[in-house]
Amino acid sequence: DIQMTQSPSSLSASLGDRVTITCGASQSISYYLNWYQQKPGKAPKVLIYSASSLQGGVPSRFSGSGSGTDFTLTISNLQPEDFATYYCQQSYSTPWTFGPGTKVEIK
Amino acid sequence: QVKLQESGPGLVKPSQTLSLTCTVSGGSINSGNYYWSWIRQHPGKGLEWIGYISYSGTTDYNPSLKSRVTISVDTSKNEFSLRLSSVTAADTAVYHCARLRSSWFDPWGQGTLVIVSS
Repeated sequence: DIQMTQSPSSLSASLGDRVTITCGASQSISYYLNWYQQKPGKAPKVLIYSASSLQGGVPSRFSGSGSGTDFTLTISNLQPEDFATYYCQQSYSTPWTFGPGTKVEIK
Repeated sequence: QVKLQESGPGLVKPSQTLSLTCTVSGGSINSGNYYWSWIRQHPGKGLEWIGYISYSGTTDYNPSLKSRVTISVDTSKNEFSLRLSSVTAADTAVYHCARLRSSWFDPWGQGTLVIVSS
């Protein structure tokens, strides 16, 4: 199985901040990396697919980059509705695997 | 727009079989090159992919659960189902269904909590 890591596991940030979350894969996964946002009690929602493609309806302050084993999710100008947990997921090979998550909290 | 909704018992006894159904609305389970998936989330923990099925019945399962998992589809009811046998407390989780679109999951169902306890 491809193991996914994320850092940090949690962070505190203020409204308007630029936030960066990193995701690593245990082997090269090309650009087969997706990012999800999950709020408490809600289903995850895809933000970014194929490493850098913005899902329709997702604000442009979200962006993704990377390839191979190292990936980044950036949230620019953090908004109140962005406080949530973020997960990366590799779709290079089954079993699909997810990172452990990064919780973004209000400072 | 497509919506998914999980249903099934919220409490299952150890050693029994967990059975859940995902009803798809707003679109046909037959349409497009989609696969229909189950994903679970242990309380306060991360996400674990369980498996998927196509409308024609092609399946793929997580090897860690493969010996206990069956996913089936009923196109006449526009739903697909999960069966997980010989459950233990370690199977207590929120179970989500989701559509696998190309290589990402979208949309997801709200999720249903299943507790394994006697």
